Amino acid sequence: AQRVTQPEKLLSVFKGAPVELKCNYSYSGSPELFWYVQYSRQRLQLLLRHISRESIKGFTADLNKGETSFHLKKPFAQEEDSAMYYCALSNTGGFKTIFGAGTRLFVKA
Amino acid sequence: KAGVTQTPRYLIKTRGQQVTLSCSPISGHRSVSWYQQTPGQGLQFLFEYFSETQRNKGNFPGRFSGRQFSNSRSEMNVSTLELGDSALYLCASSEPVAREQYFGPGTRLTVT
Repeated sequence: AQRVTQPEKLLSVFKGAPVELKCNYSYSGSPELFWYVQYSRQRLQLLLRHISRESIKGFTADLNKGETSFHLKKPFAQEEDSAMYYCALSNTGGFKTIFGAGTRLFVKA
Repeated sequence: KAGVTQTPRYLIKTRGQQVTLSCSPISGHRSVSWYQQTPGQGLQFLFEYFSETQRNKGNFPGRFSGRQFSNSRSEMNVSTLELGDSALYLCASSEPVAREQYFGPGTRLTVT
């Protein structure tokens, strides 16, 4: 079965502290993993995807197939990072995308 | 390019009624997916359309249906509305090969 688990509903960190948002997945094939972000009063938007292997707004995420994880990391959190973050998995054909329950990140000044 | 648009933005319906929501994808995007977002269940996949064909469907009852037109615009319909259908319905479009999705603002449906 296709499943995405984000164990933390809420993550609160101080500005300048490192942040890690956890994501674990279950999928029998070769998935494509994404992180989407929703800032207050804005649309859900793509933050990054595992195949691009790039850093966006200081965030990176590495796909660990052995641990079936795709954790999102940033070394120094900023207040503007406060948002809802969703981990998502697309099946091989890309016809279906499953989202995790989301983690709300709150960066305190 | 203009973003994904959804109409209407807000709807209030009564139990037992039916509703149709509309989604216009980004120009050139032929894949359209629909999601239901609720505080309790999060984002749940409803269905995906490509070139007027439904390629995949989530675990929703048959009251939820959709279609896609030749211009890639899509509609979803919910018949015999229930209180539990109150949610934000999101539409997302993507290019044929890329998996990343571009989301619309959503339609907020309230069933009373």
